[in-house]
Amino acid sequence: EVRLVESGGGLAQPGRSLRLACKASGINLGDYSLSWVRQAPGKGLEWVGFLRSNAYGGTTEYAASVKGRFTISRDDSNGIAYLQMNSLKIADTAVYFCSRNLASYGAWFDVWGQGTLVTVSS
Amino acid sequence: QSVLTQPPSESGTPGQRVTIPCSGSTSNVGGFYVYWFQQVPGKAPKLLIQTNNQRPSGVPHRFSASKSGTSASLAISGLQSEDEADYYCAAWDDSLRGVVFGGGTRLTVL
Repeated sequence: EVRLVESGGGLAQPGRSLRLACKASGINLGDYSLSWVRQAPGKGLEWVGFLRSNAYGGTTEYAASVKGRFTISRDDSNGIAYLQMNSLKIADTAVYFCSRNLASYGAWFDVWGQGTLVTVSS
Repeated sequence: QSVLTQPPSESGTPGQRVTIPCSGSTSNVGGFYVYWFQQVPGKAPKLLIQTNNQRPSGVPHRFSASKSGTSASLAISGLQSEDEADYYCAAWDDSLRGVVFGGGTRLTVL
């Protein structure tokens, strides 16, 4: 069974940094693209970015709202993907989900983690 | 304002058929696969429809979807109380170089 478990959420002040982790089990993480999707309180889903599989060069794409501030990386040996969030803004407050993406250019999110809450507040 | 447009709410009675539309453009829905997700409030989203109209294993046959041009739609037949949830469409957008979601449609089973 493929399972994704996020961790690292919590309270951060505006301008500070936070790193989220997504631990995968049941798959070799490097064989798949992985996305981060967030959901602000009471709002809809917003794609944050993704890291393509090693077969697709491990390239990344980011939403305009986080580009230059957020970075997705992966530790294949430990099966963990990371979302490094810098220069946090209040608008980044959301539940963050990691998801396996079966498409390198698409929204084929077939497995999701349970999510981790990030609150940005002074 | 979401790139893909969905009505904020829809409703139906048990046994009824409801459809949820999703409107986009040539850079997303018109040129790439559409996916649909179901989300019960407080839970993670679940993949409901992949590659425009294919149901993943385990998704009931009463869920179906279609796409024509820059529009797509999700249909739920034989509505059940457990179908009460939020539904999102999503697609790759080649102009934005990223995935775009619809704003979501809250389905209420009356």
